[in-house]
This record gives sequence, structure tokens and C-alpha cells, in this order.
Amino acid sequence: EDQVTQSPEALRLQEGESSSLNCSYTVSGLRGLFWYRQDPGKGPEFLFTLYSAGEEKEKERLKATLTKKESFLHITAPKPEDSATYLCAAILNSGNTPLVFGKGTRLSVIA
Amino acid sequence: NAGVTQTPKFRVLKTGQSMTLLCAQDMNHEYMYWYRQDPGMGLRLIHYSVGEGTTAKGEVPDGYNVSRLKKQNFLLGLESAAPSQTSVYFCASRGERPFRETQYFGPGTRLLVL
Repeated sequence: EDQVTQSPEALRLQEGESSSLNCSYTVSGLRGLFWYRQDPGKGPEFLFTLYSAGEEKEKERLKATLTKKESFLHITAPKPEDSATYLCAAILNSGNTPLVFGKGTRLSVIA
Repeated sequence: NAGVTQTPKFRVLKTGQSMTLLCAQDMNHEYMYWYRQDPGMGLRLIHYSVGEGTTAKGEVPDGYNVSRLKKQNFLLGLESAAPSQTSVYFCASRGERPFRETQYFGPGTRLLVL
């Protein structure tokens, strides 16, 4: 069964305290991986797409990386406005569920 | 350019009632999706469409029907609502070309079935 697991479920950081979120996947055929940010009461907002192991993407304080088994979302010197739930999703080669989402990591950044 | 819009934003239904959720996109996207999001379950695909006039089942299709009569619209119907269908529903769309698979999401519809 195709599965995407995110850890930790929740993370509380002090402002400026860097950390990483993990997304591990066991899927039959992976085309790539998405990272989204979701604020309470809103739809997911696209952050990054990664297609190849070793690929890295950056946006402001966020950097996403991909290996053959997992992806990391690194948050450098976070600010309170980075507080949100971060979702990763695996893009599958085929099947009825072309995207498989993890359950998300709820990040809180305290000033 | 509004992106993906959903109506209504919030609805309360009684068990057995029917309703239709509307998703509209103005990005000329071929693919459209309906997801539901429940606490502790993540986003799960209900139905999707790869083009006007086509639909396909996702992971959790039971109790729902869909139609894609126009390219820009994707409708999700509940014929006889059940409390288990209380959820937040998200619509998403994406383009067709390879490596343009980013799905763009709407703001969601919150549905409460009593």
C-alpha cells in the first residue's frame, strides 16, 4: 500500500530556532513529491515540487530536499508567521490516487 | 484571476438531504480533483477528472457523485448525506503537461451533517 508518513505530528519552536520536518514514503512508483503549507481554515498552498533524489528547492526560510526514501523541509530561523501545517504528497506514476498525502506536521513558532 | 473557487463556504445538512458543491477554476486546467480532509486522516481523494466530460473514482468515492460538463467546473454531489460525510472538502486543479503537476487548491467547503 502506498503510504506517506510525516514526522513529527506537531513541532513547537522558538523564533529563530531552526529545525527540520520529515516526510518518508513507501510507494510503488514515485514521480515526485510536493510540499504544501496550510493555514487554519484555508486550502493548501503550494510550496515546492521535487522530482529527483538530491534535488533541493529554497524559498525564503524554507528549503526542501529529496532522497530516495524521504524528503525534508528545513526551516531556518523561523518566524511566528511560519506557523502552519506543512503537508507533503507523493506524486505516483499511476493508479487511481495520483497524489498520496501525509497527515501533516503542525508547526508553531513562538515569539 | 481568481484561481480555484468553491461554493458554498459552509453548509449544514440533515441526514438524508442532498446537495451539490461547486468548484470553478479560471486557469484553463485539464485536471480537477475533489478531496476531503478529516482530523487525523489527511487529505483523501474522492473523485477526479482528466478532462471535460470525464470522471474517475479516487480513494473514497462511496456516497459521492461528480460531473464535469464544462472544463472550468467540477461538481461534487451528495445524494443522501450521512453524518460520516461531515468534513472539509477541497477542490484542486492542475495543468496537463509533464512536470506541470502542481495542484492548486480552493479555500474549502465545510460541511456538517446532522
